[in-house]
Amino acid sequence: EDQVTQSPEALRLQEGESSSLNCSYTVSGLRGLFWYRQDPGKGPEFLFTLYSAGEEKEKERLKATLTKKESFLHITAPKPEDSATYLCAVQDYNNNDMRFGAGTRLTVKP
Amino acid sequence: ETGVTQSPTHLIKTRGQQVTLRCSSQSGHNTVSWYQQALGQGPQFIFQYYREEENGRGNFPPRFSGLQFPNYSSELNVNALELDDSALYLCASSFDNSYEQYFGPGTRLTVT
Repeated sequence: EDQVTQSPEALRLQEGESSSLNCSYTVSGLRGLFWYRQDPGKGPEFLFTLYSAGEEKEKERLKATLTKKESFLHITAPKPEDSATYLCAVQDYNNNDMRFGAGTRLTVKP
Repeated sequence: ETGVTQSPTHLIKTRGQQVTLRCSSQSGHNTVSWYQQALGQGPQFIFQYYREEENGRGNFPPRFSGLQFPNYSSELNVNALELDDSALYLCASSFDNSYEQYFGPGTRLTVT
């Protein structure tokens, strides 16, 4: 069965303090790995899709990378507005569902 | 280009009742997926509709059912509500079951 585990559960950073969020996954055939940002009480906002090991994508202060077993979301010089829950999800070639992790709750203090 | 919209925003129901939640897909999208998100958890896949046909289902009982209409809007129906059904219900649309799904703001359902 597909599984997604995110760590840490919560992360508190000072503004400008770079860090990484981890997403470990188990899937029989990876169709895609997705990163979303979710603000409290709102729907997830799409950030990145990664398809194969070695792939990297960047958007502003965020950079996502992918290996055969895990993905990292690197946050460089974060700002308070980056505070949110970051969700990782995988999609398997064998079905149409998207399996989400529980998320990492990021707080950036000014 | 309009995004994904959902209605209502909030809903309070009593155990045993039935509820219908609605979703309007992003313009040009023909695939819709529904998710249940409990507090502090990631979204859980309920089912997906592609061109008005169910195209995949997660581990949810038959009392969770859905419809997709010719204009690609969608409904999620839940019968015989249970307390554990209290959650944020999200719909997400995409084009031709593409990998990138765009989520609506969700409907917060409370069952008392």
